[in-house]
Amino acid sequence: EPEVTQTPSHQVTQMGQEVILHCVPISNHLYFYWYRQILGQKVEFLVSFYNNEISEKSEIFDDQFSVERPDGSNFTLKIRSTKLEDSAMYFCASRIQDFFGPGTRLTVL
Amino acid sequence: KNQVEQSPQSLIILEGKNCTLQCNYTVSPFSNLRWYKQDTGRGPVSLTIMTFSENTKSNGRYTATLDADTKQSSLHITASQLSDSASYICVVSVPAAGNKLTFGGGTRVLVKP
Repeated sequence: EPEVTQTPSHQVTQMGQEVILHCVPISNHLYFYWYRQILGQKVEFLVSFYNNEISEKSEIFDDQFSVERPDGSNFTLKIRSTKLEDSAMYFCASRIQDFFGPGTRLTVL
Repeated sequence: KNQVEQSPQSLIILEGKNCTLQCNYTVSPFSNLRWYKQDTGRGPVSLTIMTFSENTKSNGRYTATLDADTKQSSLHITASQLSDSASYICVVSVPAAGNKLTFGGGTRVLVKP
């Protein structure tokens, strides 16, 4: 069964550093999403991406965040200057959000 | 503001018993209502997806119901197993917002032997 994969599974970084989270969506899917879940809280929408551009973003997705699909298969989320409050699980999803990746746990120290 | 509220927050049941989880939403209109199962530290896994015109949808021992008039949904788990221990999340897809998902807070279910 096809699945969405994410790497790394756990990323530890220092405050102010840049991080890039990687996702490989299911091939032939056209819609991609990033969500985050702060420990003990609800899953929150960050951004949706279609046809190589952002189609929708939340108020969380400020100018410190960016997304790219650099090579037609990978889908990345970049945080330019991490803050303590960016510590969370980040989930990638594809197609009509039937499929979520296993997540990347980001810890900002 | 679009909201999805779930009850109870947590639930303990004995293996083999049934349980029902509740979801109330204020999102309107919506594309579909979903139930996801999320194991600790893992991504959500889709259990059921219902459009506003559907009243019920089953997936094995999981049965979801939807009442679009009262804006309520439920998830019924039959003959619970230890592997059912997880968070169950009610999620609504909002067409006016690019079909992004609005998540409820989840019900944490613990199945004990």
